[in-house]
Amino acid sequence: SYELTQPSSVSVSPGQTARITCSGDVLAKKYARWFQQKPGQAPVLVIYKDSERPSGIPERFSGSSSGTTVTLTISGAQVEDEADYYCYSAADNSRGVFGGGTKLTVL
Amino acid sequence: EVQLVESGGGLVKPGGSLRLSCAASGFTFSNAWMSWVRQAPGKGLEWVGRIKSKTDGGTTDYAAPVKGRFTISRDDSKNTLYLQMNSLKTEDTAVYYCTTAHMDVWGKGTTVTVSS
Repeated sequence: SYELTQPSSVSVSPGQTARITCSGDVLAKKYARWFQQKPGQAPVLVIYKDSERPSGIPERFSGSSSGTTVTLTISGAQVEDEADYYCYSAADNSRGVFGGGTKLTVL
Repeated sequence: EVQLVESGGGLVKPGGSLRLSCAASGFTFSNAWMSWVRQAPGKGLEWVGRIKSKTDGGTTDYAAPVKGRFTISRDDSKNTLYLQMNSLKTEDTAVYYCTTAHMDVWGKGTTVTVSS
């Protein structure tokens, strides 16, 4: 089945490293993207092709992949990184799927 | 500046129809594959569907919950993407976003409320 599983919440103190995982069988064959969404705002792409960072995204955001799990890492998390984070993958050539989302708390 | 602006949202009764529009600017719209994504109140993101560029066939794909009820189309002469929504259900209540297929550009969204 095409499902992506994320933890519902992750909490870190400012300056610590936050890691958010996303698991699903499809990730063994397809790239993942990561989105940041703050309240009342549209999502913002922060990682594509598992580990590529779009221009304008801070270097503290990185991505990695291993088997059926991808991980978004925020090194030295800042208060402004507090947001919901979603992983996404093109499940097959005809549809896409999002993970359920992870609420990152930085305090 | 690359920009997507959605419009057409509103309040509609169950069983009704609504057409959303997404005006694109700042890039070659006719070459772009485009997608719709929605977000129900307090819930996560949900992929709705996608349309390819006409040069790549212009075909569409849909998520299971909307297949047969929603239709994505495009007018490249107007740089506009559409989402025709028929037989609306209360569970279709959401903010609807249009985005490029690579999801690197998003509109601010338009709100659809399905309620009697």
